[in-house]
Amino acid sequence: KAGVTQTPRYLIKTRGQQVTLSCSPISGHRSVSWYQQTPGQGLQFLFEYFSETQRNKGNFPGRFSGRQFSNSRSEMNVSTLELGDSALYLCASSPGGLAGVETQYFGPGTRLLVL
Amino acid sequence: DQQVKQNSPSLSVQEGRISILNCDYTNSMFDYFLWYKKYPAEGPTFLISISSIKDKNEDGRFTVFLNKSAKHLSLHIVPSQPGDSAVYFCAASGLSGSARQLTFGSGTQLTVLP
Repeated sequence: KAGVTQTPRYLIKTRGQQVTLSCSPISGHRSVSWYQQTPGQGLQFLFEYFSETQRNKGNFPGRFSGRQFSNSRSEMNVSTLELGDSALYLCASSPGGLAGVETQYFGPGTRLLVL
Repeated sequence: DQQVKQNSPSLSVQEGRISILNCDYTNSMFDYFLWYKKYPAEGPTFLISISSIKDKNEDGRFTVFLNKSAKHLSLHIVPSQPGDSAVYFCAASGLSGSARQLTFGSGTQLTVLP
């Protein structure tokens, strides 16, 4: 089975621009979660999508949004980029059982640099 | 407010010796715990997990111990190998409304010296 894929792998933007990141989960997985990783902060949970609906959301401003398509692929959008948005953005997928304990499998991440 | 804490940002051990990585949590609603390993330029890779109904889980060279009363878990790697050098993240899972959410620690950089 192919793993989680993320595109693009690297991205450079300037302040005020917006960006869209893409994630394709493992085949058959219906849940996609997004995380932001910055130095010293670990992985901060952004949101989770399941069956095209946002099921859970972390403490990030409304500039961060996402969506999921019928094939479970997900996109994350950040509008009005700020310097502090520079980070590694990770996507993880899991089968998505309702409230079940599941292992999440991560993609390689998209490295975003905001200048 | 960090609900999952890894207080040691780095750890160095000699090849063949035991590596012990520690993690503390504050939320008593967490009932499932995981360890992930991350190499540079790659996403985290699942390593081992433990349910709150157990106090130990073993998988080859990796053992996770859970002390619920102390809200503490640890990952033991025996024997340590140079290929184990990576950042290790502890994560805790709990119900948030009707969905589960993983909360991660800030990571510990393990360096295994040959």
